[in-house]
This record gives sequence, structure tokens and C-alpha cells, in this order.
Amino acid sequence: DAGVTQSPTHLIKTRGQQVTLRCSPKSGHDTVSWYQQALGQGPQFIFQYYEEEERQRGNFPDRFSGHQFPNYSSELNVNALLLGDSALYLCASTEGGYNEQFFGPGTRLTVL
Amino acid sequence: EDQVTQSPEALRLQEGESSSLNCSYTVSGLRGLFWYRQDPGKGPEFLFTLYSAGEEKEKERLKATLTKKESFLHITAPKPEDSATYLCAVQALSTDKLIFGTGTRLQVFP
Repeated sequence: DAGVTQSPTHLIKTRGQQVTLRCSPKSGHDTVSWYQQALGQGPQFIFQYYEEEERQRGNFPDRFSGHQFPNYSSELNVNALLLGDSALYLCASTEGGYNEQFFGPGTRLTVL
Repeated sequence: EDQVTQSPEALRLQEGESSSLNCSYTVSGLRGLFWYRQDPGKGPEFLFTLYSAGEEKEKERLKATLTKKESFLHITAPKPEDSATYLCAVQALSTDKLIFGTGTRLQVFP
């Protein structure tokens, strides 16, 4: 049983560019959440998708947007990248949103 | 405001030296408190969920406990492979998001 998978593993971008990160949830899970983890910090909630809609959003600007597909996989898009967007981006999946969230390995984004 | 504070920030133990990690929280109605383990450069690995004060859960050398204000992760006779960052998170009744602390970085040396 495959767990949560994310791609790519690493990305290097320059300021002002746009990036798309991808996530496939654990089998049987229908809810995907995205988190940003800066070095030495705990993960910060970006948003959650359920039934292809954004169900809840954290304190992140509109430059951060997402999408969920009918097969429950999800994308995170970040526009107009800033140096401060450099972080580990984590995807977590759960069934229904109220149970344990299982995390993927993350995508390390570096903005130069 | 919902908040999680973990202490200590870092902990060095000798193999076999038991200790406890603390997670203090304030939340407007607790749905659940979660413990995760995170190795460098990897995603958090789920350990435990606790739902109500007095609840305890165990897994190998780890035991998690919960009160109305804090949770403890007790590590009994740790081994070097227990070295990692341990994250605590809470989920409020009114939300689906997890609110994390900054973690405790544990090093166990032979």
C-alpha cells in the first residue's frame, strides 16, 4: 500500500517565477492538506482540499493556490516566488479530514 | 489563539537514559493531539493520537500521555535510532488544520 507521494523531490527557482508541486494521497484517503515548513520550524498549514474544493485556508497570501483532481491527487501552485518561500512543502492526506494526517516526504523548494 | 509550545528545544541523552518531552497547548476545544517523528529532510511520521485527558498510548520505547493543558512523550531506554525531531500538533474542534509546535530535537548517543 503506497503512502503519500510527492513530486518533485527538490526544486530550484528564481524570484518572480511560478512553481507547481504535486501530491498523491494514501490509498483510501480523500482529503489533502498542504503545509510549509521553514528550517527549524514546525509545519504551517496552507490549505486543505476535499471533494475538489478548498475547505479551509491558513494565513497565506493569494499567491498560494491549489487544486484537487477527481482521483483526490492535488497540486500546490505558488506565483511570484519570494526568497522567503524557500522551505520544505509537505502534503498530508486523511480520510474525511478529522482523523490522523499522514505526510509525504516533502518537496524542498529553494528560491534564489 | 490556538498555540503549541514544546520543550526542551533540544535534548541529548546517552543510550538507555530515559527522559520526557513536553508539549503545552492552548486550544478552543481539543479534537485531538498528535505526536510525529521527523528525520532530517523527510516528512513527519505519525506516532500517536490522544483525544481526552488521562489517555495514554504506547509504542515500543515511546509512551504518550495527555492532560487538559499538556502532553508528555516519555522515552524509555532510548537507542541511537530514536534520534530525530519530535513534533506535537493539536487539532481544534472548529477546524481541520493541525497546529504544530517547533519540535524537540533529540540526540541519543552510544
